[in-house]
Amino acid sequence: NAGVTQTPKFQVLKTGQSMTLQCAQDMNHEYMSWYRQDPGMGLRLIHYSVGAGITDQGEVPNGYNVSRSTTEDFPLRLLSAAPSQTSVYFCASSFKIWAGQETQYFGPGTRLLVL
Amino acid sequence: RKEVEQDPGPFNVPEGATVAFNCTYSNSASQSFFWYRQDCRKEPKLLMSVYSSGNEDGRFTAQLNRASQYISLLIRDSKLSDSATYLCVVTDDYKLSFGAGTTVTVRA
Repeated sequence: NAGVTQTPKFQVLKTGQSMTLQCAQDMNHEYMSWYRQDPGMGLRLIHYSVGAGITDQGEVPNGYNVSRSTTEDFPLRLLSAAPSQTSVYFCASSFKIWAGQETQYFGPGTRLLVL
Repeated sequence: RKEVEQDPGPFNVPEGATVAFNCTYSNSASQSFFWYRQDCRKEPKLLMSVYSSGNEDGRFTAQLNRASQYISLLIRDSKLSDSATYLCVVTDDYKLSFGAGTTVTVRA
């Protein structure tokens, strides 16, 4: 199993550009989520999904869209990049719907710089 | 007020020492508690779950105090390889809340 994979590893964007961060898992996990990690802030939940076709907002959803058309994939779209979105983005997944009782498996992260 | 707060450290300790640190949480209805470890510029990985009765995993001991709303992690006989940032995680239904992390540096 590859686990949780994320692409790209690094990305530089100009303000106003859009892009999609890819996340895929091959463990047949129901629950998937996106976080951003900023210095001194901890990981903050952007969006999450409890299964294909079901998504919901986390703590900091503004400026981001998600969709979950398959169990495996959970892409994160930046609609119009802003410097405040400069961060490290992690995708995570777990087997059961209720994330609280399950180990979260994280992808290696995407480092995004918005100029 | 942040949902989960941690002393950022850093805790600089010699090999073989014991180091302990806490994490406080604000939501009394929080259901599950974990410690994750994050190495520099890497993804977080589960270190251990935290149970009400306290639990050990080798040199690591985790405690939960629901009345005072904090969890703790103690590392005995520190190794160089324990140098990392330790993230406190508190869950409520489908959402996980992370602390900003406590950095531990073990020196030879």
